[in-house]
Amino acid sequence: SQELEQSPQSLIVQEGKNLTINCTSSKTLYGLYWYKQKYGEGLIFLMMLQKGGEEKSHEKITAKLDEKKQQSSLHITASQPSHAGIYLCGAEFYGGSQGNLIFGKGTKLSVKP
Amino acid sequence: NAGVMQNPRHLVRRRGQEARLRCSPMKGHSHVYWYRQLPEEGLKFMVYLQKENIIDESGMPKERFSAEFPKEGPSILRIQQVVRGDSAAYFCASSPIPGTYEQYFGPGTRLTVT
Repeated sequence: SQELEQSPQSLIVQEGKNLTINCTSSKTLYGLYWYKQKYGEGLIFLMMLQKGGEEKSHEKITAKLDEKKQQSSLHITASQPSHAGIYLCGAEFYGGSQGNLIFGKGTKLSVKP
Repeated sequence: NAGVMQNPRHLVRRRGQEARLRCSPMKGHSHVYWYRQLPEEGLKFMVYLQKENIIDESGMPKERFSAEFPKEGPSILRIQQVVRGDSAAYFCASSPIPGTYEQYFGPGTRLTVT
């Protein structure tokens, strides 16, 4: 079974609209990472969350980690075509190997101009 | 500060040949991680190395795959006798120390086995 579930699998939004991507874990997270991948390219680090209830923002992207540290959301405000890509959440778990990130399958975001 | 570098970016091999993928971590990073991304699947951890040491190879297939990170030079992921199922994007990441520090990813090597 997948340890990290992302939803939705894909998302198409009109430019200017807000959107949210979710990442849910079956186990308590030690650290949660959000990455963005453009088709055919590598991953770009966005944010890392570690504390329950933590929230971080970078430009128009906000990521939150719930108090129980089992769910994270990524929120984009006033989306732009440059936000298009695949968003991946990666996690470290308690008792897991250091540095071994488990990834969700990703959410493909398309932004229509 | 240059990012993580991988070469080649694209590699085509015939079944049975060997594939060598190279990764140069970011300056100052001594921890390297290899991941594989198969079509329609997520990114899967393969191996974690420090200089001259394999720390965790729990994601590596038992046969045909090997990895090294020598004292000098890039990290190498080696696939012997490639098969069509090895076709995938292989990503390398590096970090200054392991654990909760973010991993910086390279652009990947896309391996196609014909």
